[in-house]
Amino acid sequence: AQSVTQPDARVTVSEGASLQLRCKYSYSGTPYLFWYVQYPRQGLQLLLKYYSGDPVVQGVNGFEAEFIKSNSSFHLRKASVHWSDSAVYFCAVSFNNNNAPRFGAGTKLSVKP
Amino acid sequence: DPKIIQKPKYLVAVTGSEKILICEQYLGHNAMYWYRQSAKKPLEFMFSYSYQKLMDNQTASSRFQPQSSKKNHLDLQITALKPDDSATYFCASSQENISNERLFFGHGTKLSVL
Repeated sequence: AQSVTQPDARVTVSEGASLQLRCKYSYSGTPYLFWYVQYPRQGLQLLLKYYSGDPVVQGVNGFEAEFIKSNSSFHLRKASVHWSDSAVYFCAVSFNNNNAPRFGAGTKLSVKP
Repeated sequence: DPKIIQKPKYLVAVTGSEKILICEQYLGHNAMYWYRQSAKKPLEFMFSYSYQKLMDNQTASSRFQPQSSKKNHLDLQITALKPDDSATYFCASSQENISNERLFFGHGTKLSVL
């Protein structure tokens, strides 16, 4: 079955620390992969996306993600978080052409000052 | 200046009633979507439309009916409302209904069914 999993519901890090938010998917083919961020009382905004090419993709605000096909993963990383990065982060996957992306459960990131 | 307008922002309804959630996008996009977010379930895909035609429907209940009167409109009619329908409903759009397109989201309509 096709699915996307974010195993960590909540992550807390200190400001200035590095960050990794995990995302794994289940699909036999090569999916389209996205990370979105949701700030309080707002809709989702795209951070980055991947389909092919360099498996490390750069996004906005210093975020990057790495596609590891052998692990079916697309983890999000940031070298040094800021308090304003506190938000809910969603991994999303499109499994076939013309299919709208399906979202993981989200990871709520809290950055401590 | 929001490019995807969802109305109303908040909506309170009684069980058994009917409501229409409005979505208009001013991005010139050809594809529009509805997603639902609740405490019980994370962001859940409901419908996708392309050029005003239904492309995908993952909503089991016929109580949810999208309505596209214009290319940049995709409203959501919900009949016989139940408390379990309480959620925030997000409208989104993309240039085309292609899997690698980024979605642009509205701010959502928070529906509470009493």
